[in-house]
Amino acid sequence: ETGVTQSPTHLIKTRGQQVTLRCSSQSGHNTVSWYQQALGQGPQFIFQYYREEENGRGNFPPRFSGLQFPNYSSELNVNALELDDSALYLCASSLTRVEDRATDTQYFGPGTRLTVL
Amino acid sequence: GNSVTQMEGPVTLSEEAFLTINCTYTATGYPSLFWYVQYPGEGLQLLLKATKADDKGSNKGFEATYRKETTSFHLEKGSVQVSDSAVYFCALSIISNFGNEKLTFGTGTRLTIIP
Repeated sequence: ETGVTQSPTHLIKTRGQQVTLRCSSQSGHNTVSWYQQALGQGPQFIFQYYREEENGRGNFPPRFSGLQFPNYSSELNVNALELDDSALYLCASSLTRVEDRATDTQYFGPGTRLTVL
Repeated sequence: GNSVTQMEGPVTLSEEAFLTINCTYTATGYPSLFWYVQYPGEGLQLLLKATKADDKGSNKGFEATYRKETTSFHLEKGSVQVSDSAVYFCALSIISNFGNEKLTFGTGTRLTIIP
């Protein structure tokens, strides 16, 4: 069973640029959630994708957007990067039950460390 | 809203000492509770979980009991090892009005074990 993978591992961008981060979910999972973890803080929920649609969003501006593909992999896009976007971006995959939309335990990837200069 | 409050760190202990990291939560409804661990330079690993009141989660010698009456989920280990040095996050998960479940994390507690 393949775990959650993320790419790239590290990324350096300059203010105003755009970035795309990628996540491959664990086999058998249909839901991907993205989190931002600033240095020394706990992860903050950005949004979740279920069956290729956004399924809930945290307190992040619209320049944070995402996609989920038919194979349940996902992308996180951030436009107009700001210095405060520097963080570890974590992807978590899980299985959501169709009948009641309850989500099982979320399993995390290793993260992408984004540095904005 | 939902929130998690964790014991402030850092915590430094000698090897074989007893560990407690306190965690309390505020939630509307009945959350599931989790402890995740983050080793240096890595993502989060699930350590243990509990889905209903009085459930005890356990793994690798760590334990935590879901206490609804005190809204707590304290992490304990009887004898810590140097390899337990990491940052520990308490988290809750609950189905929102939108039908999704998201994790709400505490700020983390850095644990260092000295040989």
